[in-house]
Amino acid sequence: AQSVAQPEDQVNVAEGNPLTVKCTYSVSGNPYLFWYVQYPNRGLQFLLKYITGDNLVKGSYGFEAEFNKSQTSFHLKKPSALVSDSALYFCAVRESGAGSYQLTFGKGTKLSVIP
Amino acid sequence: EPEVTQTPSHQVTQMGQEVILRCVPISNHLYFYWYRQILGQKVEFLVSFYNNEISEKSEIFDDQFSVERPDGSNFTLKIRSTKLEDSAMYFCASSEERYEQYFGPGTRLTVT
Repeated sequence: AQSVAQPEDQVNVAEGNPLTVKCTYSVSGNPYLFWYVQYPNRGLQFLLKYITGDNLVKGSYGFEAEFNKSQTSFHLKKPSALVSDSALYFCAVRESGAGSYQLTFGKGTKLSVIP
Repeated sequence: EPEVTQTPSHQVTQMGQEVILRCVPISNHLYFYWYRQILGQKVEFLVSFYNNEISEKSEIFDDQFSVERPDGSNFTLKIRSTKLEDSAMYFCASSEERYEQYFGPGTRLTVT
């Protein structure tokens, strides 16, 4: 069975400071990893994915994430936070090659960027 | 930019009634999904649909649930006899291939 843990319910960061939202995962085989963001009254918006290749992946709005196989982590990062980044962030995983397309989500981390 | 759309945004129904939630996936996508999120809980997979048939479903997707692609654009989720515990936000998603899924804004279903 696959699972995702987002250990922080909330992350507060000052505008202009770097931000990190943590995610660890568990799958039987190799993972496909995703980050989504949800703004109030909106759907889940795709940010970035790791499929294979470089461990550092870049996505929308200046976000990036680093895949670490040994630590089974896929933390979301941004060098300089904006107030508009305040939202709910979800990490998701599915196992590659398993014939299943279902995503398993973490419970979400609320990011608050303080002006 | 193409988006997944869902209607209605909010549906209130009485226990035991049938509801149909509607979705219009992104036009060139081939894979379609339904997820739900009960308030305060994780987003959970319900079902995936490809080539006019269910390709995968979760334990949640029991006989009370069904999906259909009645025409070339719509994708629906039907709940035959709603229960209080079906109250949740239901998200439709679609994907062009096997990787990232694009989600709609959701339908909030309230069963009274």
